Amino acid sequence: DTGVSQDPRHKITKRGQNVTFRCDPISEHNRLYWYRQTLGQGPEFLTYFQNEAQLEKSRLLSDRFSAERPKGSFSTLEIQRTEQGDSAMYLCASSSWDRWQPGGAFFGQGTRLTVV
Amino acid sequence: KNEVEQSPQNLTAQEGEFITINCSYSVGISALHWLQQHPGGGIVSLFMLSSGKKKHGRLIATINIQEKHSSLHITASHPRDSAVYICAAVTSGTYKYIFGTGTRLKVLA
Repeated sequence: DTGVSQDPRHKITKRGQNVTFRCDPISEHNRLYWYRQTLGQGPEFLTYFQNEAQLEKSRLLSDRFSAERPKGSFSTLEIQRTEQGDSAMYLCASSSWDRWQPGGAFFGQGTRLTVV
Repeated sequence: KNEVEQSPQNLTAQEGEFITINCSYSVGISALHWLQQHPGGGIVSLFMLSSGKKKHGRLIATINIQEKHSSLHITASHPRDSAVYICAAVTSGTYKYIFGTGTRLKVLA
């Protein structure tokens, strides 16, 4: 297994366009997280899934953002009608969550979004 | 006030110096995760600990659960240690990650 992979690595889009990012977690991991990171800041939580269930969404995630994990494997994060403020690094992480022994998260390389 | 605070935000050291990065948290945790982020975004796990101390090479991480505080130490620092170091609280119950803002370390030769 090559770890968590994200696609694309970089995306430049015009304001108002829709974009979709993909995350492929480590295969046996049941938890998948999305974070957003702006320059000089730590990652901010957006949402996370356990298997296919979306357990929590941050209030940072406006109605322009939607995330899915339809079969409990890969996940997509879509941003509709992008705004310049959406420019950031979008990070995906996965972990093997067991109620009694949670595993540490492994991170993808991120997708850097630039909205022009 | 952030739920996870790190200090310092920026740190410049000379090669060979002993470095300490601090992390305080206000949430209940199941574990504290130290991570390293290089330019370009890649995040690498360093330590995950819920008590005591862990050591790997020149890196040492400690945690004091009662004081809700953790430290990351780098002994005999080297320019290749230059990176952003991030602590993340793994919340108890939900096991969600809450990140600190990171400490940007630069080690000069």
